[in-house]
Amino acid sequence: KQEVTQIPAALSVPEGENLVLNCSFTDSAIYNLQWFRQDPGKGLTSLLLIQSSQREQTSGRLNASLDKSSGRSTLYIAASQPGDSATYLCAVSPVLNYGQNFVFGPGTRLSVLP
Amino acid sequence: EAGVAQSPRYKIIEKRQSVAFWCNPISGHATLYWYQQILGQGPKLLIQFQNNGVVDDSQLPKDRFSAERLKGVDSTLKIQPAKLEDSAVYLCASSLVGQADTQYFGPGTRLTVL
Repeated sequence: KQEVTQIPAALSVPEGENLVLNCSFTDSAIYNLQWFRQDPGKGLTSLLLIQSSQREQTSGRLNASLDKSSGRSTLYIAASQPGDSATYLCAVSPVLNYGQNFVFGPGTRLSVLP
Repeated sequence: EAGVAQSPRYKIIEKRQSVAFWCNPISGHATLYWYQQILGQGPKLLIQFQNNGVVDDSQLPKDRFSAERLKGVDSTLKIQPAKLEDSAVYLCASSLVGQADTQYFGPGTRLTVL
């Protein structure tokens, strides 16, 4: 059974710092991995999607990497801003089959202080 | 482009009562997901529809939860009877085709069972 963990559970940094969020998964047989952002009281917003054949994806100040063999992904946020404060979740999708679907991690709660 | 719509946004009921949630996905999206998110945890997939057929409902407590997606567009999720442990945010998401695509989430329905 796929399990996803995220470290740290919470993180507080001053504005302008670069930071890394970590995601680990137990079963390397994944189809893709997604990083999401969740603001309080709201749904999730997809940030980056990495296919299993890819090593990384970039969008603006965000860079996500994937090391499938070691069961790890990182989300790098450059030059953090107060508006980046949110909970960040990763989710893995298993190799295409029916019976098990997306598994989410518990999230990392990020606070960027002005 | 309109996003995923959900209603109601909040619901408070007493245990053993029934409740229903509604979701309208993004136009043209074939795949619809219902997730349960308990406070402090990542979302857990309850059921996935592809058009109006069920792809995965392995984690849906079928003795009390039911869901349908008539005509392959809107969907309703029902709980009958509700238990205290059903208190959570219920998120609906949709994607264009399925597992390979980005999921777009609605704002969620926060359910409190007293």
